[in-house]
Amino acid sequence: AQTVTQSQPEMSVQEAETVTLSCTYDTSESDYYLFWYKQPPSRQMILVIRQEAYKQQNATENRFSVNFQKAAKSFSLKISDSQLGDAAMYFCAYRSENAGNMLTFGGGTRLMVKP
Amino acid sequence: AAGVIQSPRHLIKEKRETATLKCYPIPRHDTVYWYQQGPGQDPQFLISFYEKMQSDKGSIPDRFSAQQFSDYHSELNMSSLELGDSALYFCASSLTVTGNTEAFFGQGTRLTVV
Repeated sequence: AQTVTQSQPEMSVQEAETVTLSCTYDTSESDYYLFWYKQPPSRQMILVIRQEAYKQQNATENRFSVNFQKAAKSFSLKISDSQLGDAAMYFCAYRSENAGNMLTFGGGTRLMVKP
Repeated sequence: AAGVIQSPRHLIKEKRETATLKCYPIPRHDTVYWYQQGPGQDPQFLISFYEKMQSDKGSIPDRFSAQQFSDYHSELNMSSLELGDSALYFCASSLTVTGNTEAFFGQGTRLTVV
């Protein structure tokens, strides 16, 4: 079974600064997808960014980018120019290519943004 | 654009009662997933349906059952409720085609068992 680990329960960043959230995962598969979801106080799960394991290029979505290290099974999220609206719980998630389409989530990181 | 609709948004039940949660996927989406997120926890996969058939099963208690109907909406039935069932229940939907990876989440149903 796959496991996803987020080692930082809480992180804090100053507004306009950059912060990196860590995520590691364990899998024996070679084809899979990785995601970062944001859960603000409204509790809505919002997809931030996704990465296909077969792609070597790191995904980027505006201020959000990932550092995907397949050999190390690491998938960190970098948020640049942090904004107050970025404050939320962030979940890293894994989805197998072949063994069902459900997501396996990490324990989450609470990000606080200081004005 | 239409999103995943869950009803009700909030539900309060007493122990040993029964609850039914409903999920209306995005139009033309053929796959529905149910997740349970306890207080301070990450979402845990319960069960999924593809084209009205159960496709995967996760950590769903035997007291829970679910199905997907001909119009693709899904219902999660929970019986003999326990205090520990208090959680946020998410439904997500996706269109299962090659290369599509994204599942869209509803806003969740918050179930409180008292």
